[in-house]
Amino acid sequence: AQSVSQHNHHVILSEAASLELGCNYSYGGTVNLFWYVQYPGQHLQLLLKYFSGDPLVKGIKGFEAEFIKSKFSFNLRKPSVQWSDTAEYFCAVNAQGKTSYDKVIFGPGTSLSVIP
Amino acid sequence: EAGVAQSPRYKIIEKRQSVAFWCNPISGHATLYWYQQILGQGPKLLIQFQNNGVVDDSQLPKDRFSAERLKGVDSTLKIQPAKLEDSAVYLCASSLIWGQGLSSYNEQFFGPGTRLTVL
Repeated sequence: AQSVSQHNHHVILSEAASLELGCNYSYGGTVNLFWYVQYPGQHLQLLLKYFSGDPLVKGIKGFEAEFIKSKFSFNLRKPSVQWSDTAEYFCAVNAQGKTSYDKVIFGPGTSLSVIP
Repeated sequence: EAGVAQSPRYKIIEKRQSVAFWCNPISGHATLYWYQQILGQGPKLLIQFQNNGVVDDSQLPKDRFSAERLKGVDSTLKIQPAKLEDSAVYLCASSLIWGQGLSSYNEQFFGPGTRLTVL
């Protein structure tokens, strides 16, 4: 069965530190990849997405992610975090072609706390 | 464009009671999803509709949960009777899938969710 794992459950960083959140998935076929963010008390918002083309994807608020097909990974990065980045981050994978419809699987999430 | 609308935003019920949630997707989005998000976990797909047909309800506890999308637009999710472990946020999402098969692209848009507390 397809699955998505996220390396860290909870990450604590100081402001201006660099961030990298790991995401791995298990599916050998074509995928769409997403990172969502959920700020405290708010709904899920799309940070960035990969459909095809350049494996380095840039999203909103200075976030980027790199798709490494050989490693089945889609890690999220930001060079310098801010206090306002404190949120829950979810990696999601849409496995294409497996069935007659598209199914999106979410990872368990990583909680990021940024200390001023 | 208007986003995905959900109501109510919060609901508190006692176990064994019934509850219903409503979702209105983005206009033109054929695919609608209901997710359950338990505190500290990622969203888990409960049911997926394509227009008014169900394409995946493999993780829906059918003995107590039901959902419908009669006219292929808005949808309701019902729990009857509720259990303590049903306490969660219920998220509705919609998407406009374009392309086909291996060349399809699926971006989901989420509503604000309904936070259910079962006492």
